[in-house]
Amino acid sequence: GAGVSQSPRYKVAKRGQDVALRCDPISGHVSLFWYQQALGQGPEFLTYFQNEAQLDKSGLPSDRFFAERPEGSVSTLKIQRTQQEDSAVYLCASSQGQRNTEAFFGQGTRLTVV
Amino acid sequence: RKEVEQDPGPFNVPEGATVAFNCTYSNSASQSFFWYRQDCRKEPKLLMSVYSSGNEDGRFTAQLNRASQYISLLIRDSKLSDSATYLCVVNNQAGTALIFGKGTTLSVSS
Repeated sequence: GAGVSQSPRYKVAKRGQDVALRCDPISGHVSLFWYQQALGQGPEFLTYFQNEAQLDKSGLPSDRFFAERPEGSVSTLKIQRTQQEDSAVYLCASSQGQRNTEAFFGQGTRLTVV
Repeated sequence: RKEVEQDPGPFNVPEGATVAFNCTYSNSASQSFFWYRQDCRKEPKLLMSVYSSGNEDGRFTAQLNRASQYISLLIRDSKLSDSATYLCVVNNQAGTALIFGKGTTLSVSS
């Protein structure tokens, strides 16, 4: 695939349900980012991986949010016990270098918690 | 104070107009600066990087003022296709994240 791929594109979860969002970055990209974008807002940083190492998770809003990238490629963002305020688009981005290089975004997963 | 602040707009301009967007950032240690474009219900895409000396790409000109911690984007001869949200982006101190502003919405009409 040529770009960053995310799945599912849309997810409806009942409040309290756990969800897992998947990101396939561009092959060979070292850096991977997760962002949360609420309606009318800019993307808010959640977490950053350099290969398999999670170097920054300062943006994760609570301990219900967990991300992993065990083999330095595919990443999963997991949200436990979803709440209505978790409803947003979750964007994954990858970049070739370790920092300061162009980040390419996936189309996002639109999560709606009902 | 938000790390990256932008005027949300909307900016409504006619085709052919020149429009300028401004952005301020709070982290004086930031080293990388970008403008991204986001169309409705689409992902953000890089419009251009911003260099210290200022840079131009066709109708788009970006400028950086480190002393004032201020970034600008100028669009000349606006086209209908320029209608989008423009996101000001700055890296964090550790270089581990790109920090986005809320975006400025531009609507170009005929």
